[in-house]
Amino acid sequence: DAGITQSPRHKVTETGTPVTLRCHQTENHRYMYWYRQDPGHGLRLIHYSYGVKDTDKGEVSDGYSVSRSKTEDFLLTLESATSSQTSVYFCAISGTPPPQFFGPGTRLTVL
Amino acid sequence: AQRVTQPEKLLSVFKGAPVELKCNYSYSGSPELFWYVQYSRQRLQLLLRHISRESIKGFTADLNKGETSFHLKKPFAQEEDSAMYYCALGGTSGSRLTFGEGTQLTVNP
Repeated sequence: DAGITQSPRHKVTETGTPVTLRCHQTENHRYMYWYRQDPGHGLRLIHYSYGVKDTDKGEVSDGYSVSRSKTEDFLLTLESATSSQTSVYFCAISGTPPPQFFGPGTRLTVL
Repeated sequence: AQRVTQPEKLLSVFKGAPVELKCNYSYSGSPELFWYVQYSRQRLQLLLRHISRESIKGFTADLNKGETSFHLKKPFAQEEDSAMYYCALGGTSGSRLTFGEGTQLTVNP
């Protein structure tokens, strides 16, 4: 497995609370991605980064923000969590060209 | 716009039977295609990429540009092949990939 970790691995939170998920890589890859995985929808891209402080929206970015202040860390923030954001979140990294390599995932439950 | 279609959400076969997981894509440029596998509650792992033309765990996939397909095949399925399989298409900005919705393969004893 590529050197990519996610924290926390599991989280239960309440509606309306802020949540931050962390993705950390040791591969010095330029690109980092956040996906959510839901039954019937497969993987959907939330946000991605193509360099430090360079980020862009994916297909399901509403309600999420990201930051990348260092090459190795990519943070995903849910400003005010909702039950519809209950999901499994995967981080991925890649150089150019692909493929992407995935982290172990974070299972988030919003009550 | 690029798109990946995996027409079967569920696929069930018996051990020792051949298996084919279908993937069709829509893309006007030169595609880069991948298969990923996800075992139960684990991370996605790269299984195959079309440019390498290699066989991993007995699986192969051939890019057919005329039919815009990249089907995954294995002649004799094993129980440990039971997993979710995703087809992914690259080729646009940076290293972004477009994923299909996945096919859940179950290999029965």
